[in-house]
Amino acid sequence: KAGVTQTPRYLIKTRGQQVTLSCSPISGHRSVSWYQQTPGQGLQFLFEYFSETQRNKGNFPGRFSGRQFSNSRSEMNVSTLELGDSALYLCASSMGTGNVWYFGPGTRLTVT
Amino acid sequence: QKEVEQNSGPLSVPEGAIASLNCTYSDRGSQSFFWYRQYSGKSPELIMSIYSNGDKEDGRFTAQLNKASQYVSLLIRDSQPSDSATYLCAVNPNYGGATNKLIFGTGTLLAVQP
Repeated sequence: KAGVTQTPRYLIKTRGQQVTLSCSPISGHRSVSWYQQTPGQGLQFLFEYFSETQRNKGNFPGRFSGRQFSNSRSEMNVSTLELGDSALYLCASSMGTGNVWYFGPGTRLTVT
Repeated sequence: QKEVEQNSGPLSVPEGAIASLNCTYSDRGSQSFFWYRQYSGKSPELIMSIYSNGDKEDGRFTAQLNKASQYVSLLIRDSQPSDSATYLCAVNPNYGGATNKLIFGTGTLLAVQP
């Protein structure tokens, strides 16, 4: 069974721009979550989707948003990029509440 | 107090020894506990999951959970240089089933010396 896939793998953007990251979960998984990983803050939860509904949201500004489609694929969007948004963005998928989460390879975003 | 705490290390052990990694969590209602391994520049890889008090063994890995002490540990037997990585402890608070997210510790860097 194929794992979680994320595109693109690397991205360089300029301050003020916006970016959209994509995630395809493991087949059959209906929960998708997003995390931001930085050297200073570690892995921080952004949001979680289940059946196209955002069920949980982390403590991030409104510039960070996401959505999930009917095929469980998910996208996250960051608007008005700041230098501090440079990070590894990880998507994970799960069968459901309490089950294990499997991570994709991540998207490395660099904001200049 | 951080929600999930780990010693950042580095924890250095000789090849063939047992590596012991520890994690404490603050939310007593937490239900699910996970250990992930992350190599430099890579994404987290699931090593173990544990849901009940006691030990759970999988190959060279043993996870231990003590909910009364709010403590989770991971033992790696016969440590190999390829085990050198950052080990992340993650907790799913799972409040009545409404929360499905992971809260991560900062990770412990393990270095296995040949």
